[in-house]
Amino acid sequence: QQPVQSPQAVILREGEDAVINCSSSKALYSVHWYRQKHGEAPVFLMILLKGGEQKGHEKISASFNEKKQQSSLYLTASQLSYSGTYFCGTAQPRDDKIIFGKGTRLHILP
Amino acid sequence: DAGITQSPRHKVTETGTPVTLRCHQTENHRYMYWYRQDPGHGLRLIHYSYGVKDTDKGEVSDGYSVSRSKTEDFLLTLESATSSQTSVYFCAISESIIHRSYEQYFGPGTRLTVT
Repeated sequence: QQPVQSPQAVILREGEDAVINCSSSKALYSVHWYRQKHGEAPVFLMILLKGGEQKGHEKISASFNEKKQQSSLYLTASQLSYSGTYFCGTAQPRDDKIIFGKGTRLHILP
Repeated sequence: DAGITQSPRHKVTETGTPVTLRCHQTENHRYMYWYRQDPGHGLRLIHYSYGVKDTDKGEVSDGYSVSRSKTEDFLLTLESATSSQTSVYFCAISESIIHRSYEQYFGPGTRLTVT
């Protein structure tokens, strides 16, 4: 079952902040965030593991609420290069696959 | 960049014909995945492999089959293509069990059009 992302799309001006949310109806072991630019393949940004371990991007942060099965991606002082579609993916305990959400389109204006 | 290629990159085929897409990796990663991407649906998992000859179904496996006879190659076959299978297909690889491997590397994608 796909995780639910919100918002579906957001338009910002350069320098503004954005938050993208991801929620699942199932217990999660990990949450994964990817960014895809138009016409390109998705690229890994960050993984958050149950228990608090986090690995990923220098300028992008995220949180993982295990009890609520929710994650949020924080983009601060957005840059033009942040434009693209952001996907969250979730993995359940004892599972070896990721199920991705439908994506959030982010457009940064100069 | 991870060594992962997909072939063909573009294909147009007719309804009812068989189609095979190939994913090739040079990273010796254990896990390989096939996704399809359609507007409004995001990335949906079709099938995946956790080793040579070890495969399992994903979210949208109907109408697709896969095979993995070597570590480096993962084939996706549409036995009888339908217009609903028009999509962009991405292959991805992962080094280990997904939640401990930290990331999937995606191939460049194959754009398939079924007329």
